[in-house]
Amino acid sequence: NVLTQSPGTLSLSPGERATLSCRASQSVISSYLAWYQQKPGQAPRLLIYGVSGRATGIPDRFSGTGSGTDFTLTISRLEPEDSAVYYCQEYGSTPITFGQGTRLEVK
Amino acid sequence: QVQLQESGPGLVKPSETLSLTCTVSGYSIGSGYYWGWIRQPPGKGLEWIGSLYHSGTTFYKSSLKSRVTMSVDTSQNQFSLELTSVTAADTAVYYCARHSSGYLAWFDPWGQGILVTASS
Repeated sequence: NVLTQSPGTLSLSPGERATLSCRASQSVISSYLAWYQQKPGQAPRLLIYGVSGRATGIPDRFSGTGSGTDFTLTISRLEPEDSAVYYCQEYGSTPITFGQGTRLEVK
Repeated sequence: QVQLQESGPGLVKPSETLSLTCTVSGYSIGSGYYWGWIRQPPGKGLEWIGSLYHSGTTFYKSSLKSRVTMSVDTSQNQFSLELTSVTAADTAVYYCARHSSGYLAWFDPWGQGILVTASS
C-alpha cells in the first residue's frame, strides 16, 4: 500500500494550525494507520495510532482523523518545538509501509 | 520503561554482511510482542525491513527477503539483523523497535538508531 503525504513542506507561524495529509493507494484495513514525529538526529516518536488514538504523553493539540484512503494529522496551536518531519505508517498488512514524510517548519 | 539499543559495526564493505544487534532493557523479549527493524537512508524516509517474534517467526519485506535474516536470543534479551551482499544503497540509519501488539501494529518504542555505511 503506497502512502503519499502532502504537502512536502509546510511553513507556519506559532499559534497557527497545521493540516497534514496522508493518502493511501488502497483502503487501509481496520484503521491501521499511525503517525510519527521525527526531529533531526532522533528516532521517530509515535504520536497517533489506530487513526485517532493519541500515544502516551502526546498533547491533545495533536489529533488524527480519516478513513479508507484519506487521513489527516492536525496540529493546533503550533509551537516552535513542533518543527519536525511527520510520517504516516500503514500496518494493516505486510509490507508495513511509511509515507515519504511532510516537513513542518514553525517560525 | 522499555528501552532498545542498537549495536554493531558502523562501516561495512560492499558485498559483505551487515550484522546488527538490538538489546532490550525493561522488558523480557520472551514474554511476547513482535520486534522490528526499520532503516532510513540519509535524508530519506523510513523503510520497514522485517519483524520477528521470540518463537522465531519472522516477516520480511519481500524485496529484501533473499538477503535478510533475523533472529532472537532470549537469554541475552537481544534480537539481531543480518543483511548480506550489501551495496551503497544499504547505507542508512538502522532502527530497532517494538510492535505494540502482533506484527500488524505500530512501533513504540524505538531505539536511537545506528548509522551503517557501506563503503570500501
